[in-house]
Amino acid sequence: GNSVTQMEGPVTLSEEAFLTINCTYTATGYPSLFWYVQYPGEGLQLLLKATKADDKGSNKGFEATYRKETTSFHLEKGSVQVSDSAVYFCALSRDTGRRALTFGSGTRLQVQP
Amino acid sequence: DTEVTQTPKHLVMGMTNKKSLKCEQHMGHRAMYWYKQKAKKPPELMFVYSYEKLSINESVPSRFSPECPNSSLLNLHLHALQPEDSALYLCASSPIANSGRATYEQYFGPGTRLTVT
Repeated sequence: GNSVTQMEGPVTLSEEAFLTINCTYTATGYPSLFWYVQYPGEGLQLLLKATKADDKGSNKGFEATYRKETTSFHLEKGSVQVSDSAVYFCALSRDTGRRALTFGSGTRLQVQP
Repeated sequence: DTEVTQTPKHLVMGMTNKKSLKCEQHMGHRAMYWYKQKAKKPPELMFVYSYEKLSINESVPSRFSPECPNSSLLNLHLHALQPEDSALYLCASSPIANSGRATYEQYFGPGTRLTVT
């Protein structure tokens, strides 16, 4: 079946540090990949997406590249801010059959001033 | 308008109460979803509606009853809940491609924080 594995958190960084949150997946076919962000007390917001191999999704300074050879979709940001503190979820959706999202366990990011 | 709205924001109910959660979107999406999220966990899919018809029920107990009265609205009717049903309930929507299958990205509402006493 489909699965998504994320690095354990929390990840604690100082402001302006470089961020990487690892995400690997298992799925048949050609899934689409997503990063969602959840700020405290809120719902999930779509941060970025990639629908085919080698696609790079980007938004608000965050980037992730769909790597089929390593089945990975790592999230990166060059310089984090305190306002980036949130929980980040990696997710996939298959290209056939049931299109429901499969989520990773989430990674909490804490950015200190 | 790229917003999914949910009401109420917070709900406290007793185990004998009947209440409803409401979700609305005006993006023209024809697939809508209910998720349940416990603290420090990812969302868990409960129900999927496609073209206002229930297409997926993830073996959810019958004390949760979904309803999709039109293409913009989704309700979740609650009755005789248990304390372990306390959670954040999220609604989401997504467009459907010409093939009739839901496309990939889903847009989430802010959720209803439910507490069952």
